[in-house]
Amino acid sequence: GDSVTQTEGLVTLTEGLPVMLNCTYQSTYSPFLFWYVQHLNEAPKLLLKSFTDNKRPEHQGFHATLHKSSSSFHLQKSSAQLSDSALYYCALSGMATGGNNKLTFGQGTVLSVIP
Amino acid sequence: EAAVTQSPRNKVTVTGGNVTLSCRQTNSHNYMYWYRQDTGHGLRLIHYSYGAGNLQIGDVPDGYKATRTTQEDFFLLLELASPSQTSLYFCASSDGAGGVSDYTFGSGTRLLVI
Repeated sequence: GDSVTQTEGLVTLTEGLPVMLNCTYQSTYSPFLFWYVQHLNEAPKLLLKSFTDNKRPEHQGFHATLHKSSSSFHLQKSSAQLSDSALYYCALSGMATGGNNKLTFGQGTVLSVIP
Repeated sequence: EAAVTQSPRNKVTVTGGNVTLSCRQTNSHNYMYWYRQDTGHGLRLIHYSYGAGNLQIGDVPDGYKATRTTQEDFFLLLELASPSQTSLYFCASSDGAGGVSDYTFGSGTRLLVI
């Protein structure tokens, strides 16, 4: 079945430093990959999603590139901001699901940005 | 404004109790989902539906039932609640187009089973 593995637990960064949250996946078929962000006491919201290999989606300064060769979709940002502190989920939608759009989420990574 | 509304926001029940969590979406979406969120496990799919009267089993369905009464309304039922079902529950909807459509999440229901 489909599975997603993320950087475990808590990542603490000083403001202004680059962000990289790892996401790798296993899927029988060509998947679509997503990043969702959840701020404290809020609902998860879509941050960005993949399209085809070598296209790089970007949003709010974050970007991620789908690399099918390494089954990865790492989230990056050049300079962390205090407001980036949140829980980040990588998620996968497998083509084998026949368009039912069932997302499989990773375990989540908490990003804490400190002054 | 398109939205997903969950109720109640918080619920406390006793072991063996009966609980119903409600979700309503005004997005005109076909798909609705129930997830539970637990530290270390992320979001795990309990049940989902692609239309009124339809129900699909998710990845962690044991101890849960669900019912989709209309396109807008999706309910999660815990008929014999156990402490292991203490969690934050999220409902979501999507239009399901092509496998890449976005989820819209509700604000969550925090359930405590004592």
